[in-house]
Amino acid sequence: SAVISQKPSRDICQRGTSLTIQCQVDSQVTMMFWYRQQPGQSLTLIATANQGSEATYESGFVIDKFPISRPNLTFSTLTVSNMSPEDSSIYLCSVVGSNEQFFGPGTRLTVL
Amino acid sequence: QKEVEQNSGPLSVPEGAIASLNCTYSDRVSQSFFWYRQYSGKSPELIMSIYSNGDKEDGRFTAQLNKASQYVSLLIRDSQPSDSATYLCAVNGIQGAQKLVFGQGTRLTINP
Repeated sequence: SAVISQKPSRDICQRGTSLTIQCQVDSQVTMMFWYRQQPGQSLTLIATANQGSEATYESGFVIDKFPISRPNLTFSTLTVSNMSPEDSSIYLCSVVGSNEQFFGPGTRLTVL
Repeated sequence: QKEVEQNSGPLSVPEGAIASLNCTYSDRVSQSFFWYRQYSGKSPELIMSIYSNGDKEDGRFTAQLNKASQYVSLLIRDSQPSDSATYLCAVNGIQGAQKLVFGQGTRLTINP
């Protein structure tokens, strides 16, 4: 499976600010996703990061709040904009390889 | 909207016994089914994938799929304390692992 890294691993931010999370994969992958896992909850898909085009967002998530970039087949960023305490979550990127989906280590975000 | 249901537990099993984790899904056209293990503070790790009705075995793990009953399960034989984790069931409507819908997870504790 691909090796996936995320930066930062954790951060504490003030409300109203923005944080950009990076996801790097050690091989080229077609499909890349961003998920959110709120405290004590399961994973919810935010969007599919498409290389060379706009991300595809799931219901309840919008580009203004969660802008995503995918400049190439090994890298993507997710920005959490104008943060509020409700955005405190673990944010995970994932990739698909051999019809299976693998997750990065996650970014633990706390918004004060 | 696809739904995936799991008993949130906690499920407590003595060491050496069989742990049985269950998952039901609402979308009849679902094609791909996955079990992930998530240790506290870590990201989900893929344990099993299953696409066809019946059983699939991998070491101490057996996944069982019954599409007619819309039911997928995971059996862990000879349970070890290191199996203590949250187990997430994930479903996709097409072959492969794109855009997974996750259940809420079952917290499993193996008692020495």
